[in-house]
Amino acid sequence: GAGVSQSPSNKVTEKGKDVELRCDPISGHTALYWYRQSLGQGLEFLIYFQGNSAPDKSGLPSDRFSAERTGGSVSTLTIQRTQQEDSAVYLCASSGGTSLGSEQYFGPGTRLTVT
Amino acid sequence: AQRVTQPEKLLSVFKGAPVELKCNYSYSGSPELFWYVQYSRQRLQLLLRHISRESIKGFTADLNKGETSFHLKKPFAQEEDSAMYYCALRTGGFKTIFGAGTRLFVKA
Repeated sequence: GAGVSQSPSNKVTEKGKDVELRCDPISGHTALYWYRQSLGQGLEFLIYFQGNSAPDKSGLPSDRFSAERTGGSVSTLTIQRTQQEDSAVYLCASSGGTSLGSEQYFGPGTRLTVT
Repeated sequence: AQRVTQPEKLLSVFKGAPVELKCNYSYSGSPELFWYVQYSRQRLQLLLRHISRESIKGFTADLNKGETSFHLKKPFAQEEDSAMYYCALRTGGFKTIFGAGTRLFVKA
């Protein structure tokens, strides 16, 4: 079956512009995660959605970052007024459950470059 | 504070040598630990999880609560093991914290 997909695969934007990154999770997966992968920083947790519960936004680095998940499926991560330090690979992952040991399935990522 | 520490950014070993990738965590609750791997030009994927007590591709990892460690080990490294390895801690709220990663390079 299809895995997690993300679009676009690459995005180059000018400083100050807004960007939207999209994630299509595996069908039926109730949990969806966003991470930021920077060189030397590993994976930085941004936000996660679980079913109809309020999302855990504790990892969002500033109020320029927001995310939504429509209909319990597709998610969009929005970065407003982009800054050069936002340049990174943004990864999305989904998980079929929250039981012990549930695996996260990752998408290919969106490489964001802010010039 | 919840934290995952991977002290080595790069680990280089010869083929056939033993390898150990270190991971230490900080968490006051009952930890759930994972190792994820990212091979060149591939997606990040699960390697193993501590509750399964499994051996995958010859790798094992034991949770040591006393030392708050979850080191990844393999007795004989292979060239195809060269990849980026991430240790991850999932907390009770299902938030997952990843370490900075260790790049393993296995030399022929």
